[in-house]
Formats: sequence, structure tokens, C-alpha cells
Amino acid sequence: QKEVEQDPGPLSVPEGAIVSLNCTYSNSAFQYFMWYRQYSRKGPELLMYTYSSGNKEDGRFTAQVDKSSKYISLFIRDSQPSDSATYLCAMSANRGSTLGRLYFGRGTQLTVWP
Amino acid sequence: DVKVTQSSRYLVKRTGEKVFLECVQDMDHENMFWYRQDPGLGLRLIYFSYDVKMKEKGDIPEGYSVSREKKERFSLILESASTNQTSMYLCASSSSRLAGGYFGPGTRLTVT
Repeated sequence: QKEVEQDPGPLSVPEGAIVSLNCTYSNSAFQYFMWYRQYSRKGPELLMYTYSSGNKEDGRFTAQVDKSSKYISLFIRDSQPSDSATYLCAMSANRGSTLGRLYFGRGTQLTVWP
Repeated sequence: DVKVTQSSRYLVKRTGEKVFLECVQDMDHENMFWYRQDPGLGLRLIYFSYDVKMKEKGDIPEGYSVSREKKERFSLILESASTNQTSMYLCASSSSRLAGGYFGPGTRLTVT
């Protein structure tokens, strides 16, 4: 079993829809949870990160972590065509040293059509 | 603003050639990583480094080596390129003080 599982999609939604992206994980040592956005032919860019459980909001984006269920989510409100990209979840046990390496999901491809 | 640069965006090499991919970061980050990204397989960690001259194997190190002689520079070496190493190669750096990592734009390598 992979340490991080993510449905690859593809996911296709109309502009203005609420998008929900999810990942599950198996390693209870993970404490840092991140979402990356990757446009076609570009490197991933860090979108949001959350420490431990709880919610974090940044504009139209909300990240949620439920450590008891080992489940993380990214919600995009009022989705725009410019949100069309692949979204990757990532997590780590620690910020630095050997434990700081990231474990990635395979990414969910999202298309928002006008 | 973190900047991670990679020496080439696109590279075409022949089977058996020695290939060097260079990565430079300008944020004084301690940690640097090399990944490859393939459709359906996602990002896979090849090698990483937590300090100058230090290296650790990731999940798929076979056929690759790395070099980190200076803090800002991390090189990936394909000793004898093979067609199954055709892929997108992504370099990343991170700080031990902050979560997450920052990626370069990637090098799309084709081995023919």
C-alpha cells in the first residue's frame, strides 16, 4: 500500500463550482500536510500547508486535515478556468533532517470549463 | 522569493551517454531533492541531500548518482542513459525551518 493515496481523476467541473480534492495516508507520523498545484509543463508550486489537524483558509482555498481519519482535503470555492491544473497532496513527518522528505500523492487532474 | 533553476528545459540524449542535470537554488536551503515524474506514477524521489557532500538514496536510485559540492547546487548524473530514463526530472529545495519544498521548472529528458 502506498503511503499516500490520491484519486487521479480526471475531474471536470463548470466555472463557479466548489471543488473537493482528497488524499488519504497510512503513516500516523505525518504532521505537515501540503497541497501543490502543477500547471502543464511546469514544476509544482506550493499552494498551502497545514500543521497537524484543523482547517486553513487562503482566499478561495481551504485545506482541512483530519488526523484521526488520516484524511486531508482541499476545497476550491468559486472555481475558475485558471484553476485547471494537477493538484498534488504531500506530507511529511518533520520539517527538517531525514524525516523532512515529502511523500506525494499521484495528483488529481482538474479542469474547470467556462 | 524562492528560486530554483534547472540547467535545461528540454534535453535529448542517446542511449549510453552520460547525462548531467544541474539544479541551483538561491535561498540558502539546506535540503535538495531530485524527483522524476511519469504519467500514472506521480513524483518519485531519486536522491536527496541534507547538507553539502551528503546524499541519501530515495525510492528509485538505480541508474543515477548525485553530487553536492556547494550548498546551492545539486547535480543529478545518469552514468549511462537508457530509454527507460526518459522522463520529466524535477529538482526541489527546502528549509529545515519551514514545511514544504520549492520546485524548479523541470527538465524533460528524452533518451533515444
